[in-house]
Amino acid sequence: DTAVSQTPKYLVTQMGNDKSIKCEQNLGHDTMYWYKQDSKKFLKIMFSYNNKELIINETVPNRFSPKSPDKAHLNLHINSLELGDSAVYFCASSQSGTTGYTFGSGTRLTVV
Amino acid sequence: QKEVEQDPGPLSVPEGAIVSLNCTYSNSAFQYFMWYRQYSRKGPELLMYTYSSGNKEDGRFTAQVDKSSKYISLFIRDSQPSDSATYLCAMGEYGGSQGNLIFGKGTKLSVKP
Repeated sequence: DTAVSQTPKYLVTQMGNDKSIKCEQNLGHDTMYWYKQDSKKFLKIMFSYNNKELIINETVPNRFSPKSPDKAHLNLHINSLELGDSAVYFCASSQSGTTGYTFGSGTRLTVV
Repeated sequence: QKEVEQDPGPLSVPEGAIVSLNCTYSNSAFQYFMWYRQYSRKGPELLMYTYSSGNKEDGRFTAQVDKSSKYISLFIRDSQPSDSATYLCAMGEYGGSQGNLIFGKGTKLSVKP
């Protein structure tokens, strides 16, 4: 059973396109996140959602928009993709009051 | 000064060696500390976590936290080639938003047979 699953695993697209990445968790966690990992492996938080409410939104361009239809899903939509958006995007989940995140296997986005 | 500093390595050791991985931090509000292991092209997986200063042991792994020095370490005994991965430290504020988990840049470890 996959705990946190992301689709697609790989995404190659042209500049200016709009794309979405989907994430689902079956752990019953109440908080989900999107992290961006750059080419130097630096993992930086983009968004977190707790009970369908956005609780953190770091300095991320508004071309990125998270959407959570329910607490088991957190999708990431990206408008007008730029070369600098190329990275690995990780979805993660956790339960409030506990430690540790469970990460998905990542979506490798390449913008050409 | 960045909130969490971690030497990116790479670190190469022979099989059986003791490995020491370290992070320093500047935010004294950090209360819980974790180590994640990330294999190539995989997501990070939680290896160890601790709330307090001192040592915590789990098999071949020992996590050490020194809050007075704002310094954490992960020791790996009898290292194996399967330990070859990137190790990321992470830390957060107790009672704060879960999203306050801040990661180090990771140390790439290679254990040679």
